[in-house]
Amino acid sequence: GAVVSQHPSWVICKSGTSVKIECRSLDFQATTMFWYRQFPKQSLMLMATSNEGSKATYEQGVEKDKFLINHASLTLSTLTVTSAHPEDSSFYICSARDAGGPGTGELFFGEGSRLTVL
Amino acid sequence: AQSVAQPEDQVNVAEGNPLTVKCTYSVSGNPYLFWYVQYPNRGLQFLLKYITGDNLVKGSYGFEAEFNKSQTSFHLKKPSALVSDSALYFCVCFGGYNKLIFGAGTRLAVHP
Repeated sequence: GAVVSQHPSWVICKSGTSVKIECRSLDFQATTMFWYRQFPKQSLMLMATSNEGSKATYEQGVEKDKFLINHASLTLSTLTVTSAHPEDSSFYICSARDAGGPGTGELFFGEGSRLTVL
Repeated sequence: AQSVAQPEDQVNVAEGNPLTVKCTYSVSGNPYLFWYVQYPNRGLQFLLKYITGDNLVKGSYGFEAEFNKSQTSFHLKKPSALVSDSALYFCVCFGGYNKLIFGAGTRLAVHP
């Protein structure tokens, strides 16, 4: 199946710094990518939908100035956690849809990035 | 409101026994349903999907799921569980407009 690469897998940073997480579709083009956040022992929470060449669509309650999303190419979306604080510590997962039309192609997920803010 | 329910937080089964992880859905229109598995500190891996056609869908690693429209269910099954099947399983429904609706997840524990 299609591969989505997410980097870095683990990141530890100091409070107040910014962290960038990359999500790449390695063998397909993805006009749309999705960013999720997962708290321990909980399901995935959709943060935003990243659209290539346009602004991301954020879910209600997600601060767009805190979580900056850029989707500059058909194979790369980035999530930047700005001025990170300990409460931003979480497991962030990206996904991308393979070609096939809405709903007919499954989503492929990155391996996730665990962010720990000290 | 559209939703996916996984009524069991955890399912325990002995190795070699059949397993079932339950999922019910509530969506408008025809549902597109998926099962994903997540191992610790990893992303989600696709297991199988139902879009249309046969109600019994076969997927990866010997898993299968049965779509039941009258009961609005999409239970995940496997005839003989392996210890390596122990993981977190998510039932997911496509909610339109590129949105996925995730169930809360069910932790499967297979004991030797």
